[in-house]
Parts: sequence; C-alpha cells; structure tokens
Amino acid sequence: DQQVKQNSPSLSVQEGRISILNCDYTNSMFDYFLWYKKYPAEGPTFLISISSIKDKNEDGRFTVFLNKSAKHLSLHIVPSQPGDSAVYFCAASGAGGSEKLVFGKGTKLTVNP
Amino acid sequence: DAEITQSPRHKITETGRQVTLACHQTWNHNNMFWYRQDLGHGLRLIHYSYGVQDTNKGEVSDGYSVSRSNTEDLPLTLESAASSQTSVYFCASSDSPRETQYFGPGTRLLVL
Repeated sequence: DQQVKQNSPSLSVQEGRISILNCDYTNSMFDYFLWYKKYPAEGPTFLISISSIKDKNEDGRFTVFLNKSAKHLSLHIVPSQPGDSAVYFCAASGAGGSEKLVFGKGTKLTVNP
Repeated sequence: DAEITQSPRHKITETGRQVTLACHQTWNHNNMFWYRQDLGHGLRLIHYSYGVQDTNKGEVSDGYSVSRSNTEDLPLTLESAASSQTSVYFCASSDSPRETQYFGPGTRLLVL
C-alpha cells in the first residue's frame, strides 16, 4: 500500500519554463511534507518542506503547494534551469504512528537547454 | 562542518557472504536510518534507530541487521548476501524522526 505516490516517473521541460512535480498521499495523519533532490551518484538532499498549517511555502525559485482536502502537493520550479535536472522525491510524515518519513518513488526531471 | 559518511562507496561481493556497510555522522543526531534505492521503488526503509541501543525494523528488513553502540555510527549488516540485495544503500540521520533527514553519499553494492 503506497502511502505517498508520485505518478509521473519522468518530466521534461525547456529551460526557463515552469516545472511542476506532483505528489499524492493517502494517510490523513500526514502533516509534514518534504521534497528532496537527488543527483546521480549522490545522496538525496533536502530542498523544501511544508507543514499542514500552511498551503504554500516559497524558497527562491522553488514553491511547494499543499492541498489538504485533495491530499495533494506540488513542487513548482520557476524558472527551470538545466542544473535542476535530477530525481525529485516527495516525502511525508505525521503523528500517531506515522512519525517516520515515507518517500514516493521519485520523478526524474530533465530540463533541456 | 557536520557530515554523514558511508563506506565503502562501492562493494562487490558473492552470494552467501556477510557484508557490513558503515555509516558515520557528526551531526550528533539521535535518529539514524538505512534505506535502499531500487529502480521503480524509490527509497525504502530497511532499519532505523532512535538512539543508542535502540533499533527497529523498517519495511524491507529481512536479511539485514543493525546495531547502535554509540551516537555516531549505525552499521548495516547483510548476514548472507543475496542477489536481490544488489542495490544502492543510503544512510541518513535527523534531529527528529519525522523531519529533515540528512543523507550520506550512498554505497553501491553488487552481489554476484
């Protein structure tokens, strides 16, 4: 039973355009969400997070949106740069036995020059 | 600067051998985690520890064990390596089990 789903294994966008990566979750106890970025041959690195008390969090070119009623979050990258090409993992955690991070399968983003 | 390191970075072993992957962190985090990453599966939790002498099984713990004798280290042991354990292994640590985890660079393990 996959609690965190990233339904798009890959995404390709042009440099300068917006990249939108999506993530859905099923566990209603999740209240903290994170995005990680992973380059080949490196460990994942933390990118941005959002608590369920917010519906948006921005950090430079990266914005995460949370729609609690739809159990959906998205990561927007504007403008996209070739250096953003990586695998992006969505992760979630919550209270009541869901304290550990649960990761999605990842979306491979390719930004074409 | 605080960091988390893994060794070796690459390992080739034979079926049936015991293998130990090292993880060392200088963040002074109580919480440490081992994941494996496989194509089509993302990051799956193998074992985790919330402190010295504490260890817990994750979703894919069969064939693996860990021990925590100090804050800095959480070695992962494959008791009898199998080809299905060919994977990339990541160690992570965090202040809180549910918040930001800091990952090591990974160990690529090939079991022949």
